[in-house]
Amino acid sequence: AQKITQTQPGMFVQEKEAVTLDCTYDTSDPSYGLFWYKQPSSGEMIFLIYQGSYDQQNATEGRYSLNFQKARKSANLVISASQLGDSAMYFCAMREGTGNQFYFGTGTSLTVIP
Amino acid sequence: ETGVTQTPRHLVMGMTNKKSLKCEQHLGHNAMYWYKQSAKKPLELMFVYNFKEQTENNSVPSRFSPECPNSSHLFLHLHTLQPEDSALYLCASSQVKIAATGELFFGEGSRLTVL
Repeated sequence: AQKITQTQPGMFVQEKEAVTLDCTYDTSDPSYGLFWYKQPSSGEMIFLIYQGSYDQQNATEGRYSLNFQKARKSANLVISASQLGDSAMYFCAMREGTGNQFYFGTGTSLTVIP
Repeated sequence: ETGVTQTPRHLVMGMTNKKSLKCEQHLGHNAMYWYKQSAKKPLELMFVYNFKEQTENNSVPSRFSPECPNSSHLFLHLHTLQPEDSALYLCASSQVKIAATGELFFGEGSRLTVL
């Protein structure tokens, strides 16, 4: 079974609108971390936001917030006030425990329309 | 400027060539990684080094050979590759520490084309 599932291959959003990118995960480990990365066309994967499994509150970083629903095993990324520079691939990832194994999804391509 | 630098950015090689990819991290991290990124597939972890010791080798063919001479440098030696090895190869580093988020910091990748 896939550890990370991203069901939206492509998404479009109007500039200045908010958009939600979906991510569900599968683990039986009570301790895990969830990550979102942005990959522009240049290739570099840029870390955006982190949510720990024991964190009580949803993580926020500027215009990025993580809608963490533990019972549903979902960790959706919300981007508010979209900008043209937000157009990129977005990857959800999970690490179980404190190990080195990160599991990535297949990504969502986001296009911001002027 | 990224804290993880990869060279070359682009590489074209024939199936009988031998080449190497280089990665350098300037972040003082204690773990380094090689990932393979192919279209429409999740990132595939190839190798992990913790404190210069290899800790993961996810069934990678022997035509890929990693080398980690110190905690700041990581190489991926390539020989007799196949066309299906064409992909973006990403290097990453992280600080493995209790109570740290331990996020990966990536380089810009080396785009490899095998003819």
